[in-house]
Amino acid sequence: GDSVTQMEGPVTLSEEAFLTINCTYTATGYPSLFWYVQYPGEGLQLLLKATKADDKGSNKGFEATYRKETTSFHLEKGSVQVSDSAVYFCALNRGYQKVTFGTGTKLQVIP
Amino acid sequence: NAGVTQTPKFQVLKTGQSMTLQCAQDMNHEYMSWYRQDPGMGLRLIHYSVGAGITDQGEVPNGYNVSRSTTEDFPLRLLSAAPSQTSVYFCASTPSVSTEAFFGQGTRLTVV
Repeated sequence: GDSVTQMEGPVTLSEEAFLTINCTYTATGYPSLFWYVQYPGEGLQLLLKATKADDKGSNKGFEATYRKETTSFHLEKGSVQVSDSAVYFCALNRGYQKVTFGTGTKLQVIP
Repeated sequence: NAGVTQTPKFQVLKTGQSMTLQCAQDMNHEYMSWYRQDPGMGLRLIHYSVGAGITDQGEVPNGYNVSRSTTEDFPLRLLSAAPSQTSVYFCASTPSVSTEAFFGQGTRLTVV
């Protein structure tokens, strides 16, 4: 079946540091890939997405590139802020509206 | 811009009690689903619906019932609550022409 593996957290960074959160997936076909963010006490919000190989999703300074050859969708940001502290979920959807999520990575950014 | 609305936000139940978690969306999305979020396990699909009158089981359906009588509403029923159902529950909706899911704020349920 489908699965998503993302790096375990928590990840603690100083403000303005570079962020990478690794995500790899297993799925047949050509899934759409997503990063969702969950701020404390809130639901999940879509951060960015990519729907086909080599697509780059970007939003709020975050980027991720759909790499089919390595089945990866790593999340990056060049300079994190305290306001980026949240839990980040990598996810895939093969079009049957059943989203498969990773376990989430908690990011804490300290001033 | 209501989006996906879940009620209640918090609930404490005693073992064996039943209750219904409410979910409503005002975006006319065809697809709706329920997930539970547990530490270290991400989100797991409980039940989903591809349209009014059509529902199906997800990964962890035991102990839960759903129905979809209208496009807008997708309630989740706990028949006889157990401590293992202590979790945070999220409802989501997706338009049929997209794969992006929109989530509610969640319901934190504690079963004692």
